[in-house]
Amino acid sequence: EVQLVESGGGLVQPGGSLRLSCAASGFTFTSYAMSWVRQAPGKGLEWVSAISGSGDYTYYADSVKGRFTISRDNSKNTLYLQMNSLRAEDTALYYCAKEYYYGSGSYSGASYFDYWGQGTLVTVSS
Amino acid sequence: SYELTQPLSVSVALGQTARISCGGNNIGTKNVHWYQQKPGQAPVLVIYRDSNRPSGIPERFSGSNSGNTATLTITGAQAGDEADYYCQVWDSSTAKVFGTGTKVTVL
Repeated sequence: EVQLVESGGGLVQPGGSLRLSCAASGFTFTSYAMSWVRQAPGKGLEWVSAISGSGDYTYYADSVKGRFTISRDNSKNTLYLQMNSLRAEDTALYYCAKEYYYGSGSYSGASYFDYWGQGTLVTVSS
Repeated sequence: SYELTQPLSVSVALGQTARISCGGNNIGTKNVHWYQQKPGQAPVLVIYRDSNRPSGIPERFSGSNSGNTATLTITGAQAGDEADYYCQVWDSSTAKVFGTGTKVTVL
């Protein structure tokens, strides 16, 4: 059974930093790309960042580019999101999602999200 | 950047058919995926690559995609289908994009 468990959320002041983690189990972690998707309170889904199975390829939404860094430790089956220079508009529930890649060749992002975690809440406020 | 537009809400009588649209420029040339999100829960994939159902998703969920509109259809809507629904595509310039979301109410 695929399980994705996020942690690391909390209350942080504007300009602060936070690192989210997602512990994965039930599948061969290194074989799958992973993403972070967020949802602000009462709002829709927003894709944040993606990383290939090997970690060689990373992608970011324009809204977080230069501030957030996605990474993974395949020896620990864990996905991370380092969030710096946090803003009030980064307040959201952050989901970790497993991807199913249907593109050809090296990872290019052509995928869908077949499993999701339950999310970890990040609140940016003074 | 690529944008996907969905109606804010769709209402359907119990047992009738609900259609949820997802509009985007030449979306028919892209693979569209659909997610269901019930209150307080994580999203669940209900349709992938336009019209494919993951295992465990009821047959009443179907999808189509052509021109500038993709559609998720719920045939014989049940009370348990009340949820928010989001379409999603991958675009080479924007990466992964979600639609604005549609709240489905079963009357």
